Amino acid sequence: GNSVTQMEGPVTLSEEAFLTINCTYTATGYPSLFWYVQYPGEGLQLLLKATKADDKGSNKGFEATYRKETTSFHLEKGSVQVSDSAVYFCALSPTSGGTSYGKLTFGQGTILTVHP
Amino acid sequence: KAGVTQTPRYLIKTRGQQVTLSCSPISGHRSVSWYQQTPGQGLQFLFEYFSETQRNKGNFPGRFSGRQFSNSRSEMNVSTLELGDSALYLCASSLDGGVLEYFGPGTRLLVL
Repeated sequence: GNSVTQMEGPVTLSEEAFLTINCTYTATGYPSLFWYVQYPGEGLQLLLKATKADDKGSNKGFEATYRKETTSFHLEKGSVQVSDSAVYFCALSPTSGGTSYGKLTFGQGTILTVHP
Repeated sequence: KAGVTQTPRYLIKTRGQQVTLSCSPISGHRSVSWYQQTPGQGLQFLFEYFSETQRNKGNFPGRFSGRQFSNSRSEMNVSTLELGDSALYLCASSLDGGVLEYFGPGTRLLVL
């Protein structure tokens, strides 16, 4: 079956530090890959996505590249801010006729805390 | 444009009771997906509804059920509650089962 493995957390950084959160996956076929962010007391929000190998998703300074050869989708940001403190989830969906029917497989989540 | 809304936000029930949670999708969205979030198991897919039909289902016992109405609002029901059902229940919507961009804030259920 499909699975997603994220690096163990929590991650604590100082403001303006470089961020990497590792994510690897196991899936049959050609899944789509996502990063979601969950701020305290809120639901998840889609941060970025990539639907095929070598695609780079980017948003709000965050980037992740779909690496099929290493089955990875690591999240990076060059300079984090205190406002980036949240829980980050890597996820995949199987491609099926272009829609996933809402079924995502999530990683365990990584808590990020950024100090001033 | 209003986001995904869920009611109630918090619930306390006792073992053996049943509970119904509600989710109103973003206007125009016809697909609603439900997830259970727990510290131990993380986020797990429950089911997805599209145009009042269950289109996909996760690996949960039959005590977990749902439905969708003609206005795309969805409800999920858990019967004969167990302590292990304590969780945050999240729903998300999409136009037609594509990318889930936004989730609701969730309903936090505590079973005593």
